Amino acid sequence: GESVGLHLPTLSVQEGDNSIINCAYSNSASDYFIWYKQESGKGPQFIIDIRSNMDKRQGQRVTVLLNKTVKHLSLQIAATQPGDSAVYFCAENMKAGGTSYGKLTFGQGTILTVHP
Amino acid sequence: NAGVTQTPKFRILKIGQSMTLQCTQDMNHNYMYWYRQDPGMGLKLIYYSVGAGITDKGEVPNGYNVSRSTTEDFPLRLELAAPSQTSVYFCASSYGQSNEKLFFGSGTQLSVL
Repeated sequence: GESVGLHLPTLSVQEGDNSIINCAYSNSASDYFIWYKQESGKGPQFIIDIRSNMDKRQGQRVTVLLNKTVKHLSLQIAATQPGDSAVYFCAENMKAGGTSYGKLTFGQGTILTVHP
Repeated sequence: NAGVTQTPKFRILKIGQSMTLQCTQDMNHNYMYWYRQDPGMGLKLIYYSVGAGITDKGEVPNGYNVSRSTTEDFPLRLELAAPSQTSVYFCASSYGQSNEKLFFGSGTQLSVL
């Protein structure tokens, strides 16, 4: 079946560096993508999203890039801080049977560790 | 707003026992979802609901049941607990017709021994 996967299960960076977390998707029909951050013992928290008619979207310290040609999604975190340490999930919205009822499919997750 | 509230936070069950995981949201969202998260894995959709009285199966519905009698509440029922149901369960809700920007609860950690 269709799936969303991550290239790197773990990423370690120094405080102040920029972080890039990658994600591959396989369903060309997906038209919405979203990144979540999950801290230990907590539920996923929305970071940023992007629709398939866009290539780039920026938030506060975060940027999501979408390359539909190679079905690749990335999350860039600028000036990474220790508080950014968490598991990051990408997810895609696959429209079910042509209706608007989408079902998010989550990737495996990447563990980001930021060292002071 | 409290957002999405799940209870209990932790539970240990014996094989064959039953229990209900509670979920309530105060954001007046029509859409609600139950996901499970196994160690080192992403979230898998169990059941979802697009409004009161309407529920549908997700990717991994076997062994679970849901009901949606009100907009606010979406309980998840395990009838005969099995070790394979040991997981962390997350309830979520969203505004509109697609499950964009899901708002998640803090999770219920369930162990079946």
